[in-house]
Amino acid sequence: GAGVSQTPSNKVTEKGKYVELRCDPISGHTALYWYRQSLGQGPEFLIYFQGTGAADDSGLPNDRFFAVRPEGSVSTLKIQRTERGDSAVYLCASRPGQNTGELFFGEGSRLTVL
Amino acid sequence: GESVGLHLPTLSVQEGDNSIINCAYSNSASDYFIWYKQESGKGPQFIIDIRSNMDKRQGQRVTVLLNKTVKHLSLQIAATQPGDSAVYFCAENSGTYKYIFGTGTRLKVLA
Repeated sequence: GAGVSQTPSNKVTEKGKYVELRCDPISGHTALYWYRQSLGQGPEFLIYFQGTGAADDSGLPNDRFFAVRPEGSVSTLKIQRTERGDSAVYLCASRPGQNTGELFFGEGSRLTVL
Repeated sequence: GESVGLHLPTLSVQEGDNSIINCAYSNSASDYFIWYKQESGKGPQFIIDIRSNMDKRQGQRVTVLLNKTVKHLSLQIAATQPGDSAVYFCAENSGTYKYIFGTGTRLKVLA
């Protein structure tokens, strides 16, 4: 079956622009996570959804970052007024349900802010 | 493309030897731990997990040990193979399904 799909795989933008990153989780997975990974670092938690609602958004760095999952499946991470420090790989993962902690990751969206 | 983990601690082992990768965690309330493997240009991939009511769990060629007293986790890989070369992360869950990742260790398998 299909894994977690993230688009675009690469995005280059200019400082100050708006960016959207999309994640298609594995079908039937109820939980969806966003992480950010900078070079040489571990994935940094941003937010996770249980169904349509954000169960924990404590990792979003500031109010320029926002994520939605309106129908409990696809999610979009939105970054306003991008800054050079936002450059990173944004990873999405999904989890089947409450009985397992295994996260299934996509290959990430590499964001470069010039 | 770029490799993940260019500045990470590195463990080099000879092919066929056993590897031990260590991880210290900080939250004594964490009750569930996972090891992930990340190859260059890919997302992390689940290897093995362990709950806090256990101190050891074995999988295929891998063993995870948990020492709650000193908040330490290790991943042992038996008979390390070239395909094991990657960056390895431990992740902890404090009960809220928010998984926090460590900084990672790069494993290099020497032929």
